[in-house]
Amino acid sequence: DAGVIQSPRHEVTEMGQEVTLRCKPISGHNSLFWYRQTMMRGLELLIYFNNNVPIDDSGMPEDRFSAKMPNASFSTLKIQPSEPRDSAVYFCASSPRVSQPQHFGDGTRLSIL
Amino acid sequence: AQSVTQLGSHVSVSEGALVLLRCNYSSSVPPYLFWYVQYPNQGLQLLLKYTSAATLVKGINGFEAEFKKSETSFHLTKPSAHMSDAAEYFCAVSERNSGAGSYQLTFGKGTKLSVIP
Repeated sequence: DAGVIQSPRHEVTEMGQEVTLRCKPISGHNSLFWYRQTMMRGLELLIYFNNNVPIDDSGMPEDRFSAKMPNASFSTLKIQPSEPRDSAVYFCASSPRVSQPQHFGDGTRLSIL
Repeated sequence: AQSVTQLGSHVSVSEGALVLLRCNYSSSVPPYLFWYVQYPNQGLQLLLKYTSAATLVKGINGFEAEFKKSETSFHLTKPSAHMSDAAEYFCAVSERNSGAGSYQLTFGKGTKLSVIP
């Protein structure tokens, strides 16, 4: 049974470029979460979706960040334009329902030069 | 608003010794509580969860945690540490945000566990 799949695993790009992170949740899971992890701030919830609808995006740092979930099997997190302070590991997680334990992907390690 | 405090960002124990990782939470309603483990270069994996059933919860890899409402604590323990337990551990609390009709999930800052041979 495949877990949460994130791509790419690593991304290195120059500041100002657009970055798109992708996530495929576990089939049948109705809730999807995007997190950012840094040494300084720990694990931060950016946004979560329930049945493909964004429910809480209060953690999205600023307008440069956007997330979409066009269907139940795919979500993207986009940063445009990217800045060095966006460097972090970004995790996607999914759960059967929003109150239930989450299953995490292996993350995307993003470096903005 | 809910919050999670993990006491000690780094904990070192000898192999075979007791593991105790502390977690205190604040929540205005009975919460769901979780412990996750993160190995290097991996995502978080669920160790165990409390969802208002038994107060002593058993998880994978010999870990367990006890929910103590009076102390607002959910400490993680393991009787005997193994080298493979070296990882970072996160406590998390989830409660329903009645006004917004959504769930708010908050993670602690994490505790890195080192196991000394």
